[in-house]
Amino acid sequence: EIVLTQSPGTLSLSPGERATLSCRASQSVNNNYLAWYQQKPGQAPRLLIYSASTRATGIPDRFSGSGSGTDFTLTISRLEPEDFAVFYCQQYGSSPLYTFGQGTKLEVK
Amino acid sequence: EVQLLESGGGLVPRGGSLRLSCAASGFTFSGYVMGWVRQAPGKGLECVSTMTGDSVYTYYANSVRGRFTISRDSSKNTMYLQMNSLRAEDTALYYCAKRVGPQGAFDYWGQGILVTVSS
Repeated sequence: EIVLTQSPGTLSLSPGERATLSCRASQSVNNNYLAWYQQKPGQAPRLLIYSASTRATGIPDRFSGSGSGTDFTLTISRLEPEDFAVFYCQQYGSSPLYTFGQGTKLEVK
Repeated sequence: EVQLLESGGGLVPRGGSLRLSCAASGFTFSGYVMGWVRQAPGKGLECVSTMTGDSVYTYYANSVRGRFTISRDSSKNTMYLQMNSLRAEDTALYYCAKRVGPQGAFDYWGQGILVTVSS
């Protein structure tokens, strides 16, 4: 059974800084079908990245995804005030078919 | 504009049943995998069930298999989740979500509907 581990648990940064979030899988992610979501309090998750590096519709280019196999990264090049939230990674294809990481909270320093 | 609107949530006793509905609009409903993703209070996300657009293939998380049944009615552009033998650990916000394609990510989400199982 595949497990996704996100790090760090909490990341404290200031607007304008660069954020790097990690998602590590316990086994290789099929076809690199790895997605990233942003969730703000009281809102549904928003898809940012799928297939490890493809930005979803309407997502600003300051968000980028990279990685393959078992190690994936979400980078926010220059943090805007509205970017602070909880971020989840999710894989598709290994058992169980859909798996989410436990989340990384990005907070204002 | 894609819209997903959940309904049917509420308070139910342990062992009881509930049926959630998700009314979809703004896209070709029969062309996409749809699913239910839940979030327990203060916790992370769990995909509990999905169904292909042709209603042929389904997925259930181990935590709900045998108790929950997913279905969809393309004539009504609506997806359902029948939840039986509810447990306290099923208490969560249930989101209806549309899958983006074969890549397995969910690109559109409803606002969520709360299910509370009283113990």
